[in-house]
Amino acid sequence: AQSVTQLDSHVSVSEGTPVLLRCNYSSSYSPSLFWYVQHPNKGLQLLLKYTSAATLVKGINGFEAEFKKSETSFHLTKPSAHMSDAAEYFCVVSYSGGYQKVTFGTGTKLQVIP
Amino acid sequence: DGGITQSPKYLFRKEGQNVTLSCEQNLNHDAMYWYRQDPGQGLRLIYYSQIVNDFQKGDIAEGYSVSREKKESFPLTVTSAQKNPTAFYLCASTNDPGATNYGYTFGSGTRLTVV
Repeated sequence: AQSVTQLDSHVSVSEGTPVLLRCNYSSSYSPSLFWYVQHPNKGLQLLLKYTSAATLVKGINGFEAEFKKSETSFHLTKPSAHMSDAAEYFCVVSYSGGYQKVTFGTGTKLQVIP
Repeated sequence: DGGITQSPKYLFRKEGQNVTLSCEQNLNHDAMYWYRQDPGQGLRLIYYSQIVNDFQKGDIAEGYSVSREKKESFPLTVTSAQKNPTAFYLCASTNDPGATNYGYTFGSGTRLTVV
């Protein structure tokens, strides 16, 4: 069985300050991990992915995530928040078990204060 | 440009009515999915299809039906048996079994409201 936990349902940061969105996972297999971003009333867009290559993954819009197996974590970071980063972010875990083996976290809403 | 098109963007359903949500992709992806999104619950899988003329139930298939007559199209019907259909519905596709390498491509969603 696999699961993913996003530790904060809401995060609020000031523009220009660092962003940290936390994600922990559990999986019986070597997981693939993803972060997606969703702006209001829009679909999800892939930010970045970890698929057993480099543990530090760089994505679009200046976001990064580090896969830490010992901590079963895949936290999303950005050095400096921009107003356009305000959105909901989803951590996703999957493994090579077939099409249906994909689990979404419950999401973290990021608010950026000017 | 390749992508997934969902229509309509907003849909209103009366009690006891069936409604159909459209999902079309021109990415040549084999697999297509329907997810339901409710506030604070993440995305829950309704149905998925790996190939034309084949589809499987997801975690919350009751009250929904699908068809996959063409590779490009995967319409979702919300039937009157679905007691709480008000939600945001997302269609996705991939050519990546298990979405382990490339993830999904998502449509822009349909917001369904019962009136």
